[in-house]
Amino acid sequence: EAQVTQNPRYLITVTGKKLTVTCSQNMNHEYMSWYRQDPGLGLRQIYYSMNVEVTDKGDVPEGYKVSRKEKRNFPLILESPSPNQTSLYFCASRSITGFSTKNIQYFGAGTRLSVL
Amino acid sequence: KQEVTQIPAALSVPEGENLVLNCSFTDSAIYNLQWFRQDPGKGLTSLLLIQSSQREQTSGRLNASLDKSSGRSTLYIAASQPGDSATYLCAVPVDRRDDKIIFGKGTRLHILP
Repeated sequence: EAQVTQNPRYLITVTGKKLTVTCSQNMNHEYMSWYRQDPGLGLRQIYYSMNVEVTDKGDVPEGYKVSRKEKRNFPLILESPSPNQTSLYFCASRSITGFSTKNIQYFGAGTRLSVL
Repeated sequence: KQEVTQIPAALSVPEGENLVLNCSFTDSAIYNLQWFRQDPGKGLTSLLLIQSSQREQTSGRLNASLDKSSGRSTLYIAASQPGDSATYLCAVPVDRRDDKIIFGKGTRLHILP
């Protein structure tokens, strides 16, 4: 089954304690992306990657890091989390080759993060 | 700078009615436009993707149209059902590179049984 898997689904942590949210896709997609969703602000893009070892900033990259060492994985790293990073996070992937339906983005189920 | 707006923010409709959700964007030079559905506490599910060269896409009871010149897209839902209750979001690429994506804030739809 084609899917994007995020872990963990729920996470409570304290300010300053480094954490990593993993994202894995089994569709051999080149493009992967991280979003955060906040009430009243909607979905905002944090980072994206067009392929292995290629990453770029989205609209709200401050306080986050990513890496793309393998095609299937795109972890989101918070080196020193702060309360304003409390949010619902989504990972997504899509193919960037071809046309039509291959450009559809597939989303993970989300990670709800609370930073105390 | 591309901006995406969805109005209304929330909508309640009796079961069985046809309805239209709206999405507007400020920069008409878009590569594609995608409609998503999000159930509470869940991820997004892609409903329809319209390429810039297309005017509409259909999937079952859903029909999405695109009018680039006016900066608008509509999602038409026919014969609404309680299971259609969800938040519907539209999204467009920031530019022709199609790597940075901007989402509207969504329309929260409630179908009344």
